[in-house]
Amino acid sequence: GDSVTQMEGPVTLSEEAFLTINCTYTATGYPSLFWYVQYPGEGLQLLLKATKADDKGSNKGFEATYRKETTSFHLEKGSVQVSDSAVYFCALDSSASKIIFGSGTRLSIRP
Amino acid sequence: DTGVSQNPRHKITKRGQNVTFRCDPISEHNRLYWYRQTLGQGPEFLTYFQNEAQLEKSRLLSDRFSAERPKGSFSTLEIQRTEQGDSAMYLCASSPPDGGAFFGQGTRLTVV
Repeated sequence: GDSVTQMEGPVTLSEEAFLTINCTYTATGYPSLFWYVQYPGEGLQLLLKATKADDKGSNKGFEATYRKETTSFHLEKGSVQVSDSAVYFCALDSSASKIIFGSGTRLSIRP
Repeated sequence: DTGVSQNPRHKITKRGQNVTFRCDPISEHNRLYWYRQTLGQGPEFLTYFQNEAQLEKSRLLSDRFSAERPKGSFSTLEIQRTEQGDSAMYLCASSPPDGGAFFGQGTRLTVV
């Protein structure tokens, strides 16, 4: 069945460092791909999405490109801030069924 | 209405009692999901509706769990004879036709 695998955390970076969180997927169809963020004590928020191959989703300085050839959707940010500390979830939606989430990557940014 | 609304936000119940949670999705979103999340884990799928039809239910879900979505609007999730292992955050989400999900703030259930 469909699945999502993302890099395990925690990831700890200094402020202004470059961020990459890896995400790969397995799907039989052509899913839409998403990154969600969960700040401490809060609910899940949709961060960005891409609905077809080669699409780039972007929001709040974060970017991810839908790579069909490598079945990947890695999350990147050029310069992280302390306020980016959160748990990040990669997810896929095949529209035929449930949305499938990865296990989450905890990100901590040091001042 | 700007988001998915869940009630109550917190519920403490004694083991063996029944509980019911409500979710009001974003208007015009035809898909509605229930997930469960425990500390340090990702959301675990429970069930999914398209309009009023329940299209999928997790095999992990025991018969004590039931969900409804009458008229394709709000949804309720009932847990009968609660157990301590049911303690978790119960998340509802709704989805527009182009995919993705918008989550509510969740209902935190504590079974004592």
